[in-house]
Formats: sequence, C-alpha cells, structure tokens
Amino acid sequence: RKEVEQDPGPFNVPEGATVAFNCTYSNSASQSFFWYRQDCRKEPKLLMSVYSSGNEDGRFTAQLNRASQYISLLIRDSKLSDSATYLCVVNSNSGNTPLVFGKGTRLSVIA
Amino acid sequence: NAGVTQTPKFQVLKTGQSMTLQCAQDMNHNSMYWYRQDPGMGLRLIYYSASEGTTDKGEVPNGYNVSRLNKREFSLRLESAAPSQTSVYFCASTLQGRAYEQYFGPGTRLTVT
Repeated sequence: RKEVEQDPGPFNVPEGATVAFNCTYSNSASQSFFWYRQDCRKEPKLLMSVYSSGNEDGRFTAQLNRASQYISLLIRDSKLSDSATYLCVVNSNSGNTPLVFGKGTRLSVIA
Repeated sequence: NAGVTQTPKFQVLKTGQSMTLQCAQDMNHNSMYWYRQDPGMGLRLIYYSASEGTTDKGEVPNGYNVSRLNKREFSLRLESAAPSQTSVYFCASTLQGRAYEQYFGPGTRLTVT
C-alpha cells in the first residue's frame, strides 16, 4: 500500500460549486498533515496545515480523521483560480523522508 | 529577496553526459532538499541536507550526488545521465523545526536522450 494515496481526478466542477478531496495515509504513526497546491508547470506551495480539530482558511476547510487515517480538503464557492493540483502531504517521521507527498488531485474549475 | 532559485531552467543531455543542477536560497534556511517529479509518480525525495555540512539519502538517490556548498547552496550532480533521469527537478528549503513548510524553487526540466 502506498504511503499517501489520492484520487488523481480530474475533478471538473463549475464555478461556485463545492468540491472535496480525500487522501488516505498508511502510517498510523504519522504526526503532521498538510495540503500543498501546485499550478500547472509551477512549483508546489503550502496551502494549509491540517489540525486534529480541523481548520478553516476562507473558502478552504481541512479535516483529519486519525481513526480512518484520512484527511480531506473542502473548497467552497470554487473560483477559476482554484484550478490546480492539490497535493496531500504527510510527515511520516520514518527513515530519511521528512515529508511524503501524494501524487495529487487535479481540479479544473469551469466557467 | 529571491527565495529559492534554480539553474538552469531547462537542459537537454545525451546519455552518459554529466551535469550539475544548482540551487540557492536567500532565506537563511537550514534545511534543503532535492526532489524529482514525474508524471503519475508525484514528488520523490532524492537527497536532503538537514543543516550545513550534512547530507542524507532520500527515497531515490541512485545515480545522483549532492553537495551542500554552504548554508545558501545545495547542488545536485548527475555523473552519467540516463533516460530514466528525464524529469522535473525541484529544490526546496525550510527553516529548522518547520520542515513541513517547504519553499520550492521554480524547477529544472531535464531531458536525457
């Protein structure tokens, strides 16, 4: 089983829609969880951290479910500018890999 | 404040050629990383340097060497390029204790023919 798994998509949604992505992780000892955003042919950038209690940043909400070992990202009122690939990232605390990146979920917001 | 810079932006090599990818950061970060990103594979860590003077292997180190020249610079060398090393290479850096907040450079697109 891969350490971090995401549905690659693409998710094609109209402007204004609400869309949610899930990500599962295999290492139950993982401590920290994040979402990064990567625009086409650009570098990844930190979008938000995921706290046990969940956290919200404007239209974005991230949640963690430790029992089921998944994290989610909810985007409300989607904008064209939200079109990107969203990377689920886990701090595995194992071996020589400080962060483990998922392969990403591609979102395309359509006018 | 340029953040993380990488050179070159694009490179085409023939099999067997060598080259060094350069990375520099001006944010006084302690840790630096080299990743490769391939379609369908996501980001994979090649090598990292937790602090000046130290380097460690990541998930896919074979075929690469690194040098942490000083606090600012971390280079990646391909001694004998192979077509399997065709990829986009990203350098990243972080402050000590904030390994989750990685700042990435713009990437180097490398093609090995």
